[in-house]
Amino acid sequence: EIVMTQSPATLSVSPGERATLSCRASQSVSSNLAWYQQKPGQAPRLLIYGASTRATGIPARFSGSGSGTEFTLTISSLQSEDFAVYYCQLGYTFGQGTKLEIK
Amino acid sequence: QVQLQESGPGLVKPSETLSLTCAVSGYSISSGYYWGWIRQPPGKGLEWIGSIYHSGSTYYNPSLKSRVTISVDTSKNQFSLKLSSVTAADTAVYYCARYSSSANFDYWGQGTLVTVSS
Repeated sequence: EIVMTQSPATLSVSPGERATLSCRASQSVSSNLAWYQQKPGQAPRLLIYGASTRATGIPARFSGSGSGTEFTLTISSLQSEDFAVYYCQLGYTFGQGTKLEIK
Repeated sequence: QVQLQESGPGLVKPSETLSLTCAVSGYSISSGYYWGWIRQPPGKGLEWIGSIYHSGSTYYNPSLKSRVTISVDTSKNQFSLKLSSVTAADTAVYYCARYSSSANFDYWGQGTLVTVSS
């Protein structure tokens, strides 16, 4: 069973700054990694799939990268609406999430 | 636009069976894709429960497999979840979602909170 580990658990960043979120797989995996954003009381929203492809309607400030066991979600210039919890997912396994909070 | 909507009781007694249905609109389940259930206990992360294809082929989370049944009704364009012998640990928001050909969940329902309590 593949385990997806996200870090950090909580990330404090100021609006306008860059945020970098990490997701590590317990073994080398395909690049079918996805990232989701979840706001309180809402369902998760697909941001990135295939490790680096933005889903429909996702702003260009969101980007994904990585391969093998290490994957990264970068938000280039944080907007107020970006503060949320982010999950990575591979197959049927989700990471435990990173909470992105305002510094 | 693909839309999913969960429905079912919001309160289930311990040891009983949780039953939810996901109605799909804007896309015919018979056209393809896997359709899945994911849950999220209050304040916690996401857990995949299981998925089903329109043919009825299913995949279940091994940790829940003994208690889970997912079925599909293509005539009503919906699929359903049954989780037996529930305990308080099964209290969660339950989401239905489409599992895309790119191996991600691209469309989600709004979620429904199910509380297990006597």
